[in-house]
Amino acid sequence: DAKTTQPTSMDCAEGRAANLPCNHSTISGNEYVYWYRQIHSQGPQYIIHGLKNNETNEMASLIITEDRKSSTLILPHATLRDTAVYYCIVRFRYMNYGGSQGNLIFGKGTKLSVKP
Amino acid sequence: DTEVTQTPKHLVMGMTNKKSLKCEQHMGHRAMYWYKQKAKKPPELMFVYSYEKLSINESVPSRFSPECPNSSLLNLHLHALQPEDSALYLCASSQVVEVGNQPQHFGDGTRLSIL
Repeated sequence: DAKTTQPTSMDCAEGRAANLPCNHSTISGNEYVYWYRQIHSQGPQYIIHGLKNNETNEMASLIITEDRKSSTLILPHATLRDTAVYYCIVRFRYMNYGGSQGNLIFGKGTKLSVKP
Repeated sequence: DTEVTQTPKHLVMGMTNKKSLKCEQHMGHRAMYWYKQKAKKPPELMFVYSYEKLSINESVPSRFSPECPNSSLLNLHLHALQPEDSALYLCASSQVVEVGNQPQHFGDGTRLSIL
């Protein structure tokens, strides 16, 4: 089972910031928070990941709360092409061979619709 | 554009056919993955290869047979599939398997339809 909780859907106006929340209250100190998105008819696209500190790259910013129990993905200026399903995934730091630890386990994600 | 290339993009096959899906990456990654995604559902892991050796099989039926002939190529051989196997099959790669700090990069998948 996925270890994250996300809203089923969200709307955002084009040009405004999109703030996508994720709850991961059972996260351990050895687990990363990953964000992927999947645009219709394409494969999942890696966006960003972090462990404790906030992270920023050319696509988005990731804000992780101090207790690490929740995070927010921020798309600073959403465009129509950002319409997609956004997945928040908690992933262990190390893989154990023969087990599922460290695998990417996708939940249902948030369907973000950017509207003109 | 994705750096993981999957062919074919679409495949229609009968239940008695044998076909193969192909995945290629030239990023020097040593871990490769197969996922299955049913319509309106999230991707689910099928197989993991690490350094060309199968390290994880998520209880996938034997009618799906993976193969990793070299570090850049991953195949999924299909035989005697069922209509419920119709799905989007996604390939991904990452630098290594062992460390969770390495993002997986996905191809755009092969959309498979079983008649």
